[in-house]
Amino acid sequence: EAGVAQSPRYKIIEKRQSVAFWCNPISGHATLYWYQQILGQGPKLLIQFQNNGVVDDSQLPKDRFSAERLKGVDSTLKIQPAKLEDSAVYLCASSSLAGVSFPSSYEQYFGPGTRLTVT
Amino acid sequence: AQRVTQPEKLLSVFKGAPVELKCNYSYSGSPELFWYVQYSRQRLQLLLRHISRESIKGFTADLNKGETSFHLKKPFAQEEDSAMYYCALMDTGFQKLVFGTGTRLLVSP
Repeated sequence: EAGVAQSPRYKIIEKRQSVAFWCNPISGHATLYWYQQILGQGPKLLIQFQNNGVVDDSQLPKDRFSAERLKGVDSTLKIQPAKLEDSAVYLCASSSLAGVSFPSSYEQYFGPGTRLTVT
Repeated sequence: AQRVTQPEKLLSVFKGAPVELKCNYSYSGSPELFWYVQYSRQRLQLLLRHISRESIKGFTADLNKGETSFHLKKPFAQEEDSAMYYCALMDTGFQKLVFGTGTRLLVSP
């Protein structure tokens, strides 16, 4: 099966500019996640969608970050305006909760990530 | 609050040596724990999960609730094991993963 797709792979912007990232999950996966991974740290969940509804956005800086998944498939993550501390890799992941087997429902499949540099 | 601690940023061993990557967690419930791996220029991917009690690529990990640990072990390291390893805990209430900071394993010939 095709994996999680993300674009762009790299982005360099100046502070106070805006940027958007796109994610296409694995076909049929109901759950989509956006993570932020700052250099030297593990991925941190920003937002989780179940179909097109938000399950958890408790760690999303809502004053500048927004995300949507309008048709329950693709998703976009936007930052406006960007700050220097937003420099990170933004990872998208998806998982299927339709599996009968308990463990399989919790495997998350990750995209290649978008490396954002804010100057 | 849920927390995953990986105390070593870098672990360097020679080929054929045993490997143990440490992971400790804090969680007020019955944890679901995972090891994810990222090889050079590849995506983050699941290596193994404790509930499956499996051995993948020679790696095993045992959940020790008394010590709140989930260390990853391999008796004989191979050069192709060189990668970044992340321990992760699943918050089963919200179905979200909490990752540790990762340990880079470097296996030298």
